[in-house]
Amino acid sequence: SQTIHQWPATLVQPVGSPLSLECTVEGTSNPNLYWYRQAAGRGLQLLFYSVGIGQISSEVPQNLSASRPQDRQFILSSKKLLLSDSGFYLCAWSVLRDTIYFGEGSWLTVV
Amino acid sequence: GDSVTQMEGPVTLSEEAFLTINCTYTATGYPSLFWYVQYPGEGLQLLLKATKADDKGSNKGFEATYRKETTSFHLEKGSVQVSDSAVYFCALSDPGNTDKLIFGTGTRLQVFP
Repeated sequence: SQTIHQWPATLVQPVGSPLSLECTVEGTSNPNLYWYRQAAGRGLQLLFYSVGIGQISSEVPQNLSASRPQDRQFILSSKKLLLSDSGFYLCAWSVLRDTIYFGEGSWLTVV
Repeated sequence: GDSVTQMEGPVTLSEEAFLTINCTYTATGYPSLFWYVQYPGEGLQLLLKATKADDKGSNKGFEATYRKETTSFHLEKGSVQVSDSAVYFCALSDPGNTDKLIFGTGTRLQVFP
């Protein structure tokens, strides 16, 4: 069966520090991969999605970037965190025309 | 562009009350529709889905019917429990657009004994 792993689960980082959140999917090939963010008191916002290795689409301009170095690995990064980057980050995957499945999320607090 | 509109929360109910959470959508093409649930401190879980008009998705006593004529996908449950307290997200996925999910803002449900 397919599983998705996302880490770290919680992270407290100072303003200006770098960020790396990692996500891997097991049990499927060539999935679509997504990064979503849920800011405090707000809904879910799609940040990035990827349909294949090295193919990244950004939904909103921001301080973050994403990379897909392997078929089932998706990384969310920042060179310098801002206070406004705080939130709950969710990695997700899907196979074309099927349901999207989410990881357990990563809580990021920028201080 | 495509969008989803959910009723504002929080929704506060007593145990065994009837629940309705409204959801309407705007989309080109023929989207699939979903309800996801987020329990406190956890990620999102798929609750139910419907892929075409007049389909009814159901799970754990929750139901939602895909209404193309009113562009709606309202979530209902006949008798809520305290354990149903969570945030509920309505979402759509347009198969013609890489299957990205577009979410509503979420509706918090609080059920009291």
